[in-house]
Amino acid sequence: EDKVVQSPLSLVVHEGDTVTLNCSYEVTNFRSLLWYKQEKKAPTFLFMLTSSGIEKKSGRLSSILDKKELSSILNITATQTGDSAIYLCVVNYGGSQGNLIFGKGTKLSVKP
Amino acid sequence: KAGVTQTPRYLIKTRGQQVTLSCSPISGHRSVSWYQQTPGQGLQFLFEYFSETQRNKGNFPGRFSGRQFSNSRSEMNVSTLELGDSALYLCASSLMNEQFFGPGTRLTVL
Repeated sequence: EDKVVQSPLSLVVHEGDTVTLNCSYEVTNFRSLLWYKQEKKAPTFLFMLTSSGIEKKSGRLSSILDKKELSSILNITATQTGDSAIYLCVVNYGGSQGNLIFGKGTKLSVKP
Repeated sequence: KAGVTQTPRYLIKTRGQQVTLSCSPISGHRSVSWYQQTPGQGLQFLFEYFSETQRNKGNFPGRFSGRQFSNSRSEMNVSTLELGDSALYLCASSLMNEQFFGPGTRLTVL
C-alpha cells in the first residue's frame, strides 16, 4: 500500500531553536516530493524535490531528498513564532500524470 | 498571475440540502484537484479533473461529484448534505508536479 509517513506528529520548541521534520514514503514510481506549510488557511507551497542529495533552501528553511532512504527532511533554523503551523509532506507518484498522497502533517508550535 | 480562487468562501447549509462549490485555477493550469479537510481526518483527496475528465477519484461516496469546464474552471457538488460534511474544501490547480491551493470554502452543515 502506498503511504507517506511524517514524524513527529507534533513538536513544541522555543524561538531560536532548530527543528528537523521527517517524511518517509513508500510509493510506486516516485515522481516528486513536495512540502507545504499550513496555518489557518490553505497550504502554501514550500519546496518541490525531485533529485536526491540536492538541498533546496529558502531563507531559514531547507529541505533535501534521499531517494535511497525513501525520505526527506525539512529543516527550520532560528525558529520564530510565525513558523508555528502544520507542515505537510506530499508525494507525487504513479502514472502518466501522477497521483498525490498526503502525509498527516507535523504540527509545529514555536513558543516565545 | 492570479492565484487559485474559490467561491463562496463560507457557506452554511442544513442537512439534506445540496451545495455547489466553484474553483478557478491559475491561468494555464489544466489540472484541478479537490480536497476535504476536517480536524479529525486531516486532508483527504476527493477527485482530480484534467481537460474536463475525471482522472482520479478518492474514497468518497457518490454524493460527492464534480466536473470541469472547457476553461478549466471546476465545480464540486455535494448532495443530501450530512453533518459530517462540515469541512474546509480546498481546490488546487497544478502544472507539472507543482500544486497551488486556493483559499478554500468553509462549509458548515447544521
